[in-house]
Amino acid sequence: DAGVTQSPTHLIKTRGQQVTLRCSPKSGHDTVSWYQQALGQGPQFIFQYYEEEERQRGNFPDRFSGHQFPNYSSELNVNALLLGDSALYLCASSLGPELGSNQPQHFGDGTRLSIL
Amino acid sequence: AQSVTQLGSHVSVSEGALVLLRCNYSSSVPPYLFWYVQYPNKGLQLLLKYTSAATLVKGINGFEAEFKKSETSFHLTKPSAHMSDAAEYFCAVSIKAAGNKLTFGGGTRVLVKP
Repeated sequence: DAGVTQSPTHLIKTRGQQVTLRCSPKSGHDTVSWYQQALGQGPQFIFQYYEEEERQRGNFPDRFSGHQFPNYSSELNVNALLLGDSALYLCASSLGPELGSNQPQHFGDGTRLSIL
Repeated sequence: AQSVTQLGSHVSVSEGALVLLRCNYSSSVPPYLFWYVQYPNKGLQLLLKYTSAATLVKGINGFEAEFKKSETSFHLTKPSAHMSDAAEYFCAVSIKAAGNKLTFGGGTRVLVKP
């Protein structure tokens, strides 16, 4: 039973560039959430996708956007990269939100994004 | 809005000693509470969760946590530390109105001394 998989594992970009990160949810899960974890801090919620729509969004600028595909996989796009965007980006999957907020989220190992 | 505070960014324990990690939450409605562990260069793994059933929750790897509403706390304990417990631990909260969006604390890094 494959867990949450993310690609790539590491990425180096320069300021102003654009980046796309990818996530495949755990088998049977239909909801994908993205988190940003800066060095030495706890993860911060970016947004959540369910039924191919953005359902919730955290306090992140419009430079951060996403997409969910019919097979439930998801992409996170970040435009006009800033030095402060350097972080570990975590994808988490779960069952549909209608099942309640007590459903645990399963995390991938993340994509380490470094901005030069 | 809900929030989580983890007291102590670093904790050092001897192998075989009690592990106690502190978590206090703030929420205007009944919360769901979670503890996750993160090993170096890895994602987060769920240790245990409180979802309004029993207040004492048992998790994996010998960890347990007790929900105390009067103290707004959800401290994590393990009676006897093992070298493999060295990792970073995160407490998180979600509420029904916010779906299963998690709000995390800042984390506590555990060092286990032989």
